[in-house]
Amino acid sequence: QVQLVESGGGVVQPGGSLTLSCTASGFTFSDYAMHWVRQAPGTGLEWVALIRYNGNDKYYADSVKGRFTISRDNSKYTLYLQMNSLTTEDTAVYYCAKTSILGWFIDFWGQGTLVTVSS
Amino acid sequence: EIVLTQSPGTLSLSPGERATLSCWASQTVGSSYLAWYQQKPGQAPRLLIYGASTRATGIPDRFSGSGSGTGFTLTISRLEPEDFAVYYCQQYGRSPLTFGGGTKVEIK
Repeated sequence: QVQLVESGGGVVQPGGSLTLSCTASGFTFSDYAMHWVRQAPGTGLEWVALIRYNGNDKYYADSVKGRFTISRDNSKYTLYLQMNSLTTEDTAVYYCAKTSILGWFIDFWGQGTLVTVSS
Repeated sequence: EIVLTQSPGTLSLSPGERATLSCWASQTVGSSYLAWYQQKPGQAPRLLIYGASTRATGIPDRFSGSGSGTGFTLTISRLEPEDFAVYYCQQYGRSPLTFGGGTKVEIK
């Protein structure tokens, strides 16, 4: 069965950096584009970034462009999100999510990892 | 950027009633690349509908999606107790991908 397990969340000071990881299993990771989506406390879903199956194309929300970098290691079945210049507005649960082969909608979500930006 | 506006913000209904949720796009959503998700408290979202009207695997047929262009609807024909949750639409046809603000379906 499909599993996505995020790790790397925690508390970081404003201006700091953090790298999230997502380990996938139960499917051929290298066949699928992958997303990061976040949800600030008590609010709705915000798409963050997408990377194509081979890592050649990456797309970002305007709110994170230039600060966050999505990447993947298909040999390790792992997705990453490098986050720099963090602000309090980046505080959220970050979900790793798998696309469908039929399009970029999300057919499976991880359970999320909480990132708190606070001094 | 395609902005998605969901209405109403909150829908108060009783079990057995019909729920109609709307999602309006600021620009045409190409090829009906519109999905609906359900999220319950403390849980990750779950895919309900993709391609505006195709139910995902395992989703009961009381859930249906319709619409095209800039207007989309999620209908729950008869609410079951487990359907009380927050629902989000998402367009996935163009970057940046975007979500609507959500509609909470609560028990009246």
